[in-house]
This record gives sequence, C-alpha cells and structure tokens, in this order.
Amino acid sequence: SYELTQPPSMSVSPGQTASITCSGDKLGDNYACWYQQKPGQSPVLVIYQNDKRPSGIPERFSGSYSGNTATLTISGTQAMDEAEYYCQAWDSSTALFGGGTKLTVL
Amino acid sequence: QVQLVESGGGLVKPGGSLRLSCAASGFTLSDYYMSWIRQAPGKGLEWVSSISSSGTYTHYAETVRGRFSISRDNAKTSLYLQMNSLRDEDTAVYYCAIASGTSYEGGGWFDPWGQGTLVTVSS
Repeated sequence: SYELTQPPSMSVSPGQTASITCSGDKLGDNYACWYQQKPGQSPVLVIYQNDKRPSGIPERFSGSYSGNTATLTISGTQAMDEAEYYCQAWDSSTALFGGGTKLTVL
Repeated sequence: QVQLVESGGGLVKPGGSLRLSCAASGFTLSDYYMSWIRQAPGKGLEWVSSISSSGTYTHYAETVRGRFSISRDNAKTSLYLQMNSLRDEDTAVYYCAIASGTSYEGGGWFDPWGQGTLVTVSS
C-alpha cells in the first residue's frame, strides 16, 4: 500500500535551519501538506498545497517539492518550534499521513 | 471565529457502539467537506473518514469501512461519526476537521481541527 515516509526524529540548534522530508511514490500526483502538533494539543496546519502558508503561520515555515519528496523547512528555528511534524497527501480519495518527525530544538 | 467541538467519546467494550458529534460554529458548515481523523495514544495521525458538503459523497479508511458511518446535519451545524463493532485498535483521540480544497476525488487539507474526544475500547 502507498506510504509517506518521514524520519522519526531530528534535532536542530536554535537559529539554525531544520529540513524535514516526506517521501512517497505518488507525491508527484498530489499536493503535500504539513501539520505541527505540540504535546497535548491538536494538530495545526503549517503548509498546504506543497508551499502555501496559512495566515498566522510565521514566515520561517516554508514548503517545497522535488521529485517524490516534499520538504518542510523551518528557517531560524526557535524553541517554540519543538514539536511533532506530519506530512499528509492523498491517494485517490484516501488521505494519508506520514509517521511523523519529532523535532527537538537544542 | 471558527470552532469545532467534539463530544461523545468514552469507554466502550469491544463489539460495542458509540456515536461521536462535532459541533461547528463561526463558519457555514454547508460550504465545506468535513473529516474525522484519529490518533491512538502515543501514535501518529490516521485519517478515518470524509463527507462532502451536502453529504452526498462519503469516504472511509480501509480499517473502518463497513463499521463506521459518517454523516452531517447542516441545519444543526453538526458532524457525526457512528462507530459500530468497535475493536481495541479503535482506541484513540478522534478529531473533526474542516477539509478545505477537497472534492469527491479527495485532495485538500485539514484546517482547523477540534480539540478531540477520547474513545477507549476495552473490556
């Protein structure tokens, strides 16, 4: 079955750039979205349609896409960005989520 | 502002049933596809089901198809998830979300999400 693959975890120093990848064979046919989830909170949309940022999301969050890989980039990472990040795409009429990447800022 | 409030979660025995509700406010429910997404304790996100703005089209994850039923009452500004034949693996926090940019072919994104309601399936 179709899957979206993310690294389980990554760490970044404050002020540095974090790049979280999401790979999937059918990403070329569909847009990718990204969600941020902090402990005990509901997920929040941070990127949709590969590279669009919802209102209220800081400019340091950006999205890109190449081949079968979507990437969420956080520039100038702040301590408040420590969270779990999930990519999401569609396979026909079924929504799929990646397994999530736990981003640690230290 | 847009608000989604889930309710109806609780403890249920395997094989039992439960009906979740999602009360919508701050926007016109009848303009949007809606979805249910769940998260098992300590695990990732799993899409469960989506329903078109009028209720004509419904879609389900393979893991719940035939057991769960999504519906909506736009007049009552509410979304529902009827869950039957519940299994241990259905234990999760269930979120409702607006599915923007979605058509009967899928697509789109989930924004915003409610605060979730916990369903625990255990004997």
